[in-house]
Amino acid sequence: TQLLEQSPQFLSIQEGENLTVYCNSSSVFSSLQWYRQEPGEGPVLLVTVVTGGEVKKLKRLTFQFGDARKDSSLHITAAQPGDTGLYLCAGAWPGNTGKLIFGQGTTLQVKP
Amino acid sequence: GAVVSQHPSWVICKSGTSVKIECRSLDFQATTMFWYRQFPKQSLMLMATSNEGSKATYEQGVEKDKFLINHASLTLSTLTVTSAHPEDSSFYICSARRTVTVAYEQYFGPGTRLTVT
Repeated sequence: TQLLEQSPQFLSIQEGENLTVYCNSSSVFSSLQWYRQEPGEGPVLLVTVVTGGEVKKLKRLTFQFGDARKDSSLHITAAQPGDTGLYLCAGAWPGNTGKLIFGQGTTLQVKP
Repeated sequence: GAVVSQHPSWVICKSGTSVKIECRSLDFQATTMFWYRQFPKQSLMLMATSNEGSKATYEQGVEKDKFLINHASLTLSTLTVTSAHPEDSSFYICSARRTVTVAYEQYFGPGTRLTVT
């Protein structure tokens, strides 16, 4: 059974602070996606990483994929209250019919 | 774009009745759609994988006779909760994957809040 460990599960910070969310597994991913979800809505795809060592940036968000494609991180610079939400990582493994395995999620609260 | 809609967005039903939730990919074809359930402040739990023109594949512990899934076209999948009970109350979310995809990306609908009284 593939597991995706996401940490931390809860994070409460002040506006302007930086933060990093981690996603780790013992298995190699085909690809990994990061989603953001607001209460009462569906998750919205932020980014997909496929290549080991890949770094993608989305404004103040930086996504990294580990060289071995077993881990990923999301770094937010100068967090803003609008960044508040549930962040989910989800991985696809070779041969699992394209199902995504989700991490436990990180609930982020950014206080003004 | 990759837009997925769900209908209804919320529904209240009485115990023992059935409820149908629709999931549509609006601007792309989706051979595969997925149905998830989410409890408050928790991650998504995959219920079943729905493939167009074939039977759905259910995850372990999900009752296939209770949660009926139909994927009749490349843009529509439905989830019917039969003989609903209060414990079925939850947030149900569908997702769709493009017919041709490299990275297994899924695009999610806005979710359906089901309350069984």
